[in-house]
Amino acid sequence: QSALTQPPSASGSPGQSVTISCTGTSGDVGAYDYVSWYQQHPGKAPKLIIYEVSKRPSGVPARFSGSKSDSTASLTVSGLQAEDEADYYCSAYAGNSNGVFGGGTKLTVL
Amino acid sequence: QVQLQESGPGLVKPSGTLSLTCAVSGASMSNAGWWSWVRQPPGKGLEWIGEISPTSGTDNYNPSLTSRVSISIDTAKQHLYLKLNSVTAADTAVYYCVRGGWSNFDRWGQGTLVAVSS
Repeated sequence: QSALTQPPSASGSPGQSVTISCTGTSGDVGAYDYVSWYQQHPGKAPKLIIYEVSKRPSGVPARFSGSKSDSTASLTVSGLQAEDEADYYCSAYAGNSNGVFGGGTKLTVL
Repeated sequence: QVQLQESGPGLVKPSGTLSLTCAVSGASMSNAGWWSWVRQPPGKGLEWIGEISPTSGTDNYNPSLTSRVSISIDTAKQHLYLKLNSVTAADTAVYYCVRGGWSNFDRWGQGTLVAVSS
């Protein structure tokens, strides 16, 4: 199973919006609505911020939103804040009790 | 609030067996659909190792690891276990215990670094 494709880096100024893409195939992202996004600060464990394409767990700010079109999922962070600087990973279910993570995107707040 | 704590040797010799335990507190393991292990080599991305159902015992593994890995669970002790055989330097990583499966990995342990070296 090949990793989902994410841009290595993304950036934006405080207050701006930034969108991170996650491209898969018709067998994973395109097939199921089990796409999740994780935020990871340096030296910390990943934290779930979006699941099932666009749902936010309790406590995750509404600034984080997710969407999907065909085989590409997207994470949008609106009103960027300094604490949003982190690595972001997408994941997707690929059937047969298997799935795949993206390679990760380093988000820099300028 | 559920808490997950991984423990085990921080150093394993090549060709040896990596064994980790995850202690879960704050919630019953039986109430989750799946429990998983995910690893992250230093400076690299996340890799799913496998999962187990606390109610049926059904387990599923990453096809690239399935010949070397075993995940087990003891719901009475609130423990999740990982065994990885025939390790090499490529298995050096931070290993995370995670509540959930591919619908969402919603709680992560702090992770434990395991190095494979002689």
